[in-house]
Amino acid sequence: DGGITQSPKYLFRKEGQNVTLSCEQNLNHDAMYWYRQDPGQGLRLIYYSQIVNDFQKGDIAEGYSVSREKKESFPLTVTSAQKNPTAFYLCASRYRDGNYGYTFGSGTRLTVV
Amino acid sequence: SQKIEQNSEALNIQEGKTATLTCNYTNYSPAYLQWYRQDPGRGPVFLLLIRENEKEKRKERLKVTFDTTLKQSLFHITASQPADSATYLCALDYTGGGNKLTFGTGTQLKVEL
Repeated sequence: DGGITQSPKYLFRKEGQNVTLSCEQNLNHDAMYWYRQDPGQGLRLIYYSQIVNDFQKGDIAEGYSVSREKKESFPLTVTSAQKNPTAFYLCASRYRDGNYGYTFGSGTRLTVV
Repeated sequence: SQKIEQNSEALNIQEGKTATLTCNYTNYSPAYLQWYRQDPGRGPVFLLLIRENEKEKRKERLKVTFDTTLKQSLFHITASQPADSATYLCALDYTGGGNKLTFGTGTQLKVEL
């Protein structure tokens, strides 16, 4: 079955650590996205990529980094520069044509300890 | 500045009634408007997409209207069931937006027996 997989489901980070969240899709979608969700604030866009080896900053890119070396994969690194990383992180993908909805992963909940 | 507004107060309705959720936006020229359902701790699930030149779209018990003059979309669930209880998000893919969605904060729907 085609889908989008995020791992891990829960992640704990110590102060000053970088952590990487995984996102893999086998839907043959061109575009991939990372959103952050905080209570009462909805989804905010961190980074997105329309094609392999290219990506753009979203509204809240500071303290995050991404890569898109393969069409299927779009990992997100939360760096120590991100001052408030505790949140629910969602990865999504879709065909490049905007005439389609997004397919979301099940999310990664990151907590700073 | 651009803004998407959904009623932050939960909507409580009785089973069998029609639920109507509102999405208002300002300072956008939307190409598409989408609605998603999100259950607690899960990723959003795509429900419906409506284009700027469409007035109404239906899918089973769901209906979406789109009024670009009022800058408003209404999302209706007819014959609502307790299983429809969730948070519903609207999202815009707007002209010049770079092929990415901007989300509202969502409205929680509770369908009671």
